[in-house]
Amino acid sequence: EIVLTQTPGTLSLSPGERATLSCRASQSVTNSLLVWYQQKPGQAPRLLMYGASSRATGIPDRFRGSGFGTDFTLTISRLEPEDFAVYYCQQYATSPYTFGQGTKLEIK
Amino acid sequence: QVQLVQSGAEVKKPGASVKVSCKASGYSFTDYGISWVRQDPGQGLEWMGWISAYNDNANYAQKFQGRITMTTDTSTSTAYMELRSLRSDDTAVYYCARDLSAVAGSTFFDYWGQGTLVTVSS
Repeated sequence: EIVLTQTPGTLSLSPGERATLSCRASQSVTNSLLVWYQQKPGQAPRLLMYGASSRATGIPDRFRGSGFGTDFTLTISRLEPEDFAVYYCQQYATSPYTFGQGTKLEIK
Repeated sequence: QVQLVQSGAEVKKPGASVKVSCKASGYSFTDYGISWVRQDPGQGLEWMGWISAYNDNANYAQKFQGRITMTTDTSTSTAYMELRSLRSDDTAVYYCARDLSAVAGSTFFDYWGQGTLVTVSS
């Protein structure tokens, strides 16, 4: 199965700063079939990006996804208070459809 | 608006079975699939499998093969996930999610249920 490794485990930043989250796959993710989710405490995950770089409905343009092959990045250009959460990547190229272990974005 | 409403929390003994329901509304049920994802307490997410609401084809993660069954009832727009032979490490929050794939196997998930906590304890 494809193992997704997210770095860093925790990212401490201030509102207004730029966040860069990484997701590395153990083998190539075909056709960049990778998504990003945001999860806040006590809530279900929320879809942010699909196909590595397409924003889901209603997601603000400060969220940007990029990458291909084995290396993917989620960038949040200017952090808003509501952006502090846990972020997961997931590949849907090869069953089982695996998730990364998450990056916690916390307020510095 | 799209909603997925799951059944309530369950407490089960080791060896028992649990069946979680997921009632969909706000969209055409058979135009999508339903995937089930679980989350261990304080841990990450794990995809368990997918079912087509269109033709009931299912694809289970190998880890759960033999002890999981997913079904749908199109008359009530409800999906079900049954997990058998429960162990303590099955304690988790179980989510259903609308899967963009109706027929071709799982893809990704644009709406999620609120989650159902299943606790397995003697």
